[in-house]
Amino acid sequence: QKEVEQNSGPLSVPEGAIASLNCTYSDRGSQSFFWYRQYSGKSPELIMFIYSNGDKEDGRFTAQLNKASQYVSLLIRDSQPSDSATYLCAGYDRGSTLGRLYFGRGTQLTVWP
Amino acid sequence: DTGVSQDPRHKITKRGQNVTFRCDPISEHNRLYWYRQTLGQGPEFLTYFQNEAQLEKSRLLSDRFSAERPKGSFSTLEIQRTEQGDSAMYLCASSPLVPGQDRNIQYFGAGTRLSVL
Repeated sequence: QKEVEQNSGPLSVPEGAIASLNCTYSDRGSQSFFWYRQYSGKSPELIMFIYSNGDKEDGRFTAQLNKASQYVSLLIRDSQPSDSATYLCAGYDRGSTLGRLYFGRGTQLTVWP
Repeated sequence: DTGVSQDPRHKITKRGQNVTFRCDPISEHNRLYWYRQTLGQGPEFLTYFQNEAQLEKSRLLSDRFSAERPKGSFSTLEIQRTEQGDSAMYLCASSPLVPGQDRNIQYFGAGTRLSVL
């Protein structure tokens, strides 16, 4: 069974700091990874996706993928209190017919002012 | 069309009753997915459709669960004889018909929160 492991946290950082969220995955064949942000009681919101080894930047967010180590990370620069949420890491299951996502349990991030 | 729409947002029911949820995907998204999320867990895959065809079902989807997408547009998820263990957030997602890996991107609706008393 394909799995994604995340440190459930909570991770607490001060406003303006860099928040670093990490996950590892079990399926070496997985090639697409996604980071979703989920506020309490709300649905997951896609914030980043990455397909290739290396870094991908979008505004304050940087996703990093290391396929050799089976490791995905998300860096949030200049963290804001509004970034406080649970961050879900998901991999795309190539082995399924259409490609379901398999999710980690999420890391809870708190940014304090 | 601003996103995936789910209805109702909340449903409270008594154990043993049947419930049905609806999902309207983003226009022109031909793939539609159902997930279930319980407290403290990530979403878990239930089933998905390409157009009207249901192509895969998770082992989580017991015989009490049925999903349809009759015209390849909206989808319904029905749970018969609900049990307290069915209490969860039921999420619908859709993805676009585009080439390459961007077709793997799934956009989620607001979810239906089910409480079985």
